[in-house]
Amino acid sequence: DIQMTQSPSSLSASVGDRVTITCRASQSIINYLNWYQQKPGKAPNLLIYTASTLQTGVPSRFGGSGSGTDFTLTISTLQPEDFAIYYCQQSYSTPLTFGGGTKVEIK
Amino acid sequence: QVTLKESGPVLVKPTETLTLTCTVSGFSLSNLRMGVSWIRQPPGKALEWLAHIFSTDEKSYITSLKSRLTISEDTSNSQVVLSMTNLDPMDTGTYYCARMQRVGASWFGFDYWGQGILVTVSS
Repeated sequence: DIQMTQSPSSLSASVGDRVTITCRASQSIINYLNWYQQKPGKAPNLLIYTASTLQTGVPSRFGGSGSGTDFTLTISTLQPEDFAIYYCQQSYSTPLTFGGGTKVEIK
Repeated sequence: QVTLKESGPVLVKPTETLTLTCTVSGFSLSNLRMGVSWIRQPPGKALEWLAHIFSTDEKSYITSLKSRLTISEDTSNSQVVLSMTNLDPMDTGTYYCARMQRVGASWFGFDYWGQGILVTVSS
């Protein structure tokens, strides 16, 4: 099974900051890497698929990059509504697997 | 408009079998480009993928729970059903169904999710 490791597990940032979250796969997943945002009590929301493609309706301040085993989610200018938990997930092979999550908190 | 909605019991006793139903609308389960997964989340913990179905012949399961899970679909009623046997309190959590699309051998993200159903396993 492919293990997905996210770092950091949590971070504190201020509105307007640039935020970067990293996801590492235990083997190459080419670019089959997706990012989700989850707010308390809600289902996750797809932000980015295939590493860098922005899902329809997602603000352009969200960006994804990477290939192989190392991937990054960047929020260029953090907004108040961006405080949430972010998950990466590989869709290269089954069993599908998620990272452990990164909680973005207000500094 | 694509929607998914989970239904089933919210309280189950240990050792019992849990059966959850995901009713979908806005797309057809007969479309082999569209598949549905079950994903769970224990309170305060991370997401865990459980199972996926693209068609009656294309199913996949999480390795650690494979012996306890069965996923099936009823295309005429637009439903995907997950059964989990021998429940334990550790199975307590919110269970989501979600849609994933594919093109050829390429699978994409979970683009639509149900609201989730909180299942508690307790005697």
